[in-house]
Amino acid sequence: NAGVTQTPKFRVLKTGQSMTLLCAQDMNHEYMYWYRQDPGMGLRLIHYSVGEGTTAKGEVPDGYNVSRLKKQNFLLGLESAAPSQTSVYFCASRYQGYGYTFGSGTRLTVV
Amino acid sequence: GENVEQHPSTLSVQEGDSAVIKCTYSDSASNYFPWYKQELGKRPQLIIDIRSNVGEKKDQRIAVTLNKTAKHFSLHITETQPEDSAVYFCAASRAAGNKLTFGGGTRVLVKP
Repeated sequence: NAGVTQTPKFRVLKTGQSMTLLCAQDMNHEYMYWYRQDPGMGLRLIHYSVGEGTTAKGEVPDGYNVSRLKKQNFLLGLESAAPSQTSVYFCASRYQGYGYTFGSGTRLTVV
Repeated sequence: GENVEQHPSTLSVQEGDSAVIKCTYSDSASNYFPWYKQELGKRPQLIIDIRSNVGEKKDQRIAVTLNKTAKHFSLHITETQPEDSAVYFCAASRAAGNKLTFGGGTRVLVKP
């Protein structure tokens, strides 16, 4: 039982490049989330999903897209990376009414 | 929507002393309140949670109290140790809610 697994763990992008971050969970959770955390800051919700095939915007969705084609996977895409998207990205999942289980994070640097 | 405020933003305590972090929430329908601990460079991890049908919950040196009338809840850490140094986040949600709303975090430093 691996919990929530994020890949990759580290990535450096050039401005304008695209990439996809993968989140996989093996706990059969319905709900999945993508957060970003800037240095010394709190957690800001980018997008989330309440079930397979559904997605919804969080508080900072601009510049990101997501897809949840399979229940266990939640993908976060950056179509044209910008330096402002340099951050640590955390994926999380949960059963409704319970706390989150977080992945170990992806440290992204855009130069 | 829900709004969660957390205080203080930083807290420095002497080893062995107690630490208290307070959070207030705005949505009276919120009924689930977890606390997360995030060590430097690590993921946030759930350390304790409380539901609105309970006023207090303890787990060894940590406890959480909830005042539904005043819409605030607190984390208490007793006999603090250096390994308690971390950022702590409170959160709130409705039972049928889609997501947690997080407070801004409290950086706790335990001085030996």
